[in-house]
Amino acid sequence: NAGVTQTPKFQVLKTGQSMTLQCAQDMNHNSMYWYRQDPGMGLRLIYYSASEGTTDKGEVPNGYNVSRLNKREFSLRLESAAPSQTSVYFCASRATGGDGYEQYFGPGTRLTVT
Amino acid sequence: SQKIEQNSEALNIQEGKTATLTCNYTNYSPAYLQWYRQDPGRGPVFLLLIRENEKEKRKERLKVTFDTTLKQSLFHITASQPADSATYLCALEENFNKFYFGSGTKLNVKP
Repeated sequence: NAGVTQTPKFQVLKTGQSMTLQCAQDMNHNSMYWYRQDPGMGLRLIYYSASEGTTDKGEVPNGYNVSRLNKREFSLRLESAAPSQTSVYFCASRATGGDGYEQYFGPGTRLTVT
Repeated sequence: SQKIEQNSEALNIQEGKTATLTCNYTNYSPAYLQWYRQDPGRGPVFLLLIRENEKEKRKERLKVTFDTTLKQSLFHITASQPADSATYLCALEENFNKFYFGSGTKLNVKP
């Protein structure tokens, strides 16, 4: 039982390049999330998915796209990376989406855009 | 949208003392509030959840209170240990699945 896994762990991109961050969970959770964490800013929600086939914008969605490929996997894509997207990205999942369930986080992807 | 405020200054306390961390929020009161622990280079880990109709919740050395009038939650660690040193985040769910986190308070427990 690996929980929430993320790949890659580290990535350096040049401005304008694209990449996809991968996330998978093996806990049969319905809801999945993508956050970014910047120094002094806390975690900010980028996109979330309440169930397979649905995605919704969070607090800071601009510059990102997501895909809920199946119940296990939720990917985050940067089409044209910008230095402002330098951050640590966390994926999380939650059981059933019902009120009060804790989120389980992955280990994070540290992204640097030069 | 919600705004959550946590003391951005680190809290330094001596081992054995009680640490108290504060989380304040704006706008409407959430149905519940969560607390997470985050160690350097790792993802947050869930600690406790308190619902709006609960004044207090305990788990081992941890205690959380929730005052919807003050729009505030307090997080206490009693008999603190150096291993409790970490950043503690509070979070709430505004609408279904739309979470907001505070920026966290770093706790340093000195032996």
